[in-house]
Amino acid sequence: QVQLKESGPGLVQPSRTLSLTCTVSGFSLTSYGVSWVRQPPGKGLEWIAAIWSGGSTDYNSALKSRLSISRDTSKSQVLLKMNSLQTEDTAMYFCARGAYYFDYWGQGVMVTVSS
Amino acid sequence: NIVLTQSPATLSVTPGESVSLSCRASQSISTSIHWYQQKSNESPRLLIKYASQSISGIPSRFSGSGSGTDFTLSINRVESEDFSIYYCQQSYSSLYTFGAGTKLELK
Repeated sequence: QVQLKESGPGLVQPSRTLSLTCTVSGFSLTSYGVSWVRQPPGKGLEWIAAIWSGGSTDYNSALKSRLSISRDTSKSQVLLKMNSLQTEDTAMYFCARGAYYFDYWGQGVMVTVSS
Repeated sequence: NIVLTQSPATLSVTPGESVSLSCRASQSISTSIHWYQQKSNESPRLLIKYASQSISGIPSRFSGSGSGTDFTLSINRVESEDFSIYYCQQSYSSLYTFGAGTKLELK
């Protein structure tokens, strides 16, 4: 069955770089796109970035200068890097299958930005 | 950026009632709208894609309609498991955005 699982550090210091990994199973990254979506505590959803089945990428323009999304198809992994973290980047980070709409979601990983 | 405005922010209903949740786009987006349900401390779940297309495994009481700027998610005869937050999301522009959500709560 389709599964996505996020992994990464739970706590990151301000100004540092966040690295998150989404490991997928049950589908191929060369057939489906994968996106990252985040949700600050008690708030709504914000789309961050997507990597399409062909390998092209799209970013939220408000965050683009700080983001990098890539993939390792041999490991079925999608990688997200965000630099210059601030406290407002504290959120639950989800990866989800799809690049237009998101039909399967991971459980999410909570990232707290704090010194 | 395309702004999605959901209304009402909170909807209080009793089980068995039928409800309509609204999502209005700041510009025409054809039918590029998708609906999600998020229960407390869970990941979102896709309910409807492209305004009205059903999703496998989603109960038939959920339906969607609309095009252009005005969209509606309808729930026919709300059940206790439906009390959660509902979000709309647009994929018309390359900067995908979500609405702020409508919380469906028990009256």
